[in-house]
Amino acid sequence: DSGVTQTPKHLITATGQRVTLRCSPRSGDLSVYWYQQSLDQGLQFLIQYYNGEERAKGNILERFSAQQFPDLHSELNLSSLELGDSALYFCASSVVSVNTEAFFGQGTRLTVV
Amino acid sequence: DQQVKQNSPSLSVQEGRISILNCDYTNSMFDYFLWYKKYPAEGPTFLISISSIKDKNEDGRFTVFLNKSAKHLSLHIVPSQPGDSAVYFCAAPGGNTPLVFGKGTRLSVIA
Repeated sequence: DSGVTQTPKHLITATGQRVTLRCSPRSGDLSVYWYQQSLDQGLQFLIQYYNGEERAKGNILERFSAQQFPDLHSELNLSSLELGDSALYFCASSVVSVNTEAFFGQGTRLTVV
Repeated sequence: DQQVKQNSPSLSVQEGRISILNCDYTNSMFDYFLWYKKYPAEGPTFLISISSIKDKNEDGRFTVFLNKSAKHLSLHIVPSQPGDSAVYFCAAPGGNTPLVFGKGTRLSVIA
């Protein structure tokens, strides 16, 4: 158990809908990262928050947004969903924001039908 | 442009033998590298790391070697065990991206 909790574990929704994925980082970790893993792809970095502030942005679509709350949990919002958004979404956390291992949650499997 | 490349999608090794997983990188600014292991239906788990000031780091059966001039690192698992069967990702923190991952190598250890 990495200490990072993601909910829900599975999500099935229709195209055009909006969903929210939730992540609780390890106790004491200030950095939260979101990654997407599509079929046969590596882990694609989406966005990072550090202590409530956006720290880095990767290949995140404009239809996607995220935030980190004062209690350090984070939410990833995906809207106007398309079939191609079906993927595993991982949240990870770390104490600091650079040159450190990140600890991953078990992921949310999103299926858009 | 892939900054971290794992060119072997899969590898099969006999139990008890050595597994060698390879990773190449293109960004000479990378100075810290990590290996993660991922089982199906689980998140990646940190395995071992190496800083660019070293050329080798060992942790039990796992050793990572870094060749900076070749921009190449490798993970050695000796001896390989069936429980090592998983997907292994090489990663590096890179500029604006906290961790850049390779596409992974699926290791199968055959009993």
